[in-house]
Amino acid sequence: GEDVEQSLFLSVREGDSSVINCTYTDSSSTYLYWYKQEPGAGLQLLTYIFSNMDMKQDQRLTVLLNKKDKHLSLRIADTQTGDSAIYFCAERNTGGFKTIFGAGTRLFVKA
Amino acid sequence: DTGVSQDPRHKITKRGQNVTFRCDPISEHNRLYWYRQTLGQGPEFLTYFQNEAQLEKSRLLSDRFSAERPKGSFSTLEIQRTEQGDSAMYLCASSLGAEKLFFGSGTQLSVL
Repeated sequence: GEDVEQSLFLSVREGDSSVINCTYTDSSSTYLYWYKQEPGAGLQLLTYIFSNMDMKQDQRLTVLLNKKDKHLSLRIADTQTGDSAIYFCAERNTGGFKTIFGAGTRLFVKA
Repeated sequence: DTGVSQDPRHKITKRGQNVTFRCDPISEHNRLYWYRQTLGQGPEFLTYFQNEAQLEKSRLLSDRFSAERPKGSFSTLEIQRTEQGDSAMYLCASSLGAEKLFFGSGTQLSVL
């Protein structure tokens, strides 16, 4: 079945780059997403990539997709304390209505 | 555009009681979704509406759960005879197309 896996924790120093990794199983995934969740809040869409793309850059965020290995990563450049949050990887295929989420990676940014 | 709005933000109830949550999507969005999120997990899909039609329901949605979207605008999610295992964050999302979901802040349910 469909599954999305992520590492649970990542700790970085302020100003360093953060790289959050994700693997997924559904080879028919069309859209791959990164969402951010702060305590007590809903999910905020950070960026997404179509499965026919390898890379997408959006300001400090870079998404890399290796479709062969079903591996997605999110790089945050110049990480700030305000980036501390839970980051969810998610996937969806064209014909489906549901988005499948990973369990989230908790990013801690040390000042 | 005020985003997706959910009410209430928090709900504490006793086991066996019924609860109802409301979601107001972004006004031009025709698609509406309910998800459930438990501590330490990602959101799990519950159900999906396109306009007023409920097109997909997860197996997680037992007979005690019912969702409606009359007139294709706001939606309600009702849980009857609540159980402690129903304690979770209930998230609503809406979208115009298939790509981007916009989430509300959620309703945190605690069943005592």
